[in-house]
Amino acid sequence: AQKVTQAQTEISVVEKEDVTLDCVYETRDTTYYLFWYKQPPSGELVFLIRRNSFDEQNEISGRYSWNFQKSTSSFNFTITASQVVDSAVYFCALSEVEWDNQGGKLIFGQGTELSVKP
Amino acid sequence: GAVVSQHPSRVICKSGTSVKIECRSLDFQATTMFWYRQFPKQSLMLMATSNEGSKATYEQGVEKDKFLINHASLTLSTLTVTSAHPEDSSFYICSAKRDRESTDTQYFGPGTRLTVL
Repeated sequence: AQKVTQAQTEISVVEKEDVTLDCVYETRDTTYYLFWYKQPPSGELVFLIRRNSFDEQNEISGRYSWNFQKSTSSFNFTITASQVVDSAVYFCALSEVEWDNQGGKLIFGQGTELSVKP
Repeated sequence: GAVVSQHPSRVICKSGTSVKIECRSLDFQATTMFWYRQFPKQSLMLMATSNEGSKATYEQGVEKDKFLINHASLTLSTLTVTSAHPEDSSFYICSAKRDRESTDTQYFGPGTRLTVL
């Protein structure tokens, strides 16, 4: 069965610290997608990144970086030099590829609430 | 872009009434949309997959007669919470998959906060 685990329920850091949010997933399929979403207090989910299972290249986007390791089934997210505006709940999610373009359900982790204090 | 809207953003109703929530893809067509429910401090739980022109597929434990889904066009899906009770109070979020995009990315609406008194 598919499962996504975010073991860190809450993390609190001081501004400018680096922080890593962990994500571990389980799936029997060889083809799948992994996602990270940010949910600020307003509630709207903000898409951050999508990675397919064949692409293990790490990615950097500004202060954000992602480390995908299939060997450990992990897709960790690092924020460098955190800012107060980064405070939010972050969700990791897994989707199996549906070749007929139907389905593709997202399985979400429990989320990690990040609090960045000034 | 890929913008999804929801209406209303917030609704308060009395117990026993029905509430309709609309989900629209504003700048793309979406044969497939999804409805999620999120309780405070919890993750998003998929309720159902909505397909244009066919019946919705409900997740285990979700009552299809209570949560009616209608996906009448390629840009609109509606969720009706029938005979709402206080335990139905939650944050309801829809998402849409853009047709002919093979990446399985779902674009999320801003959510609807339902409070049943």
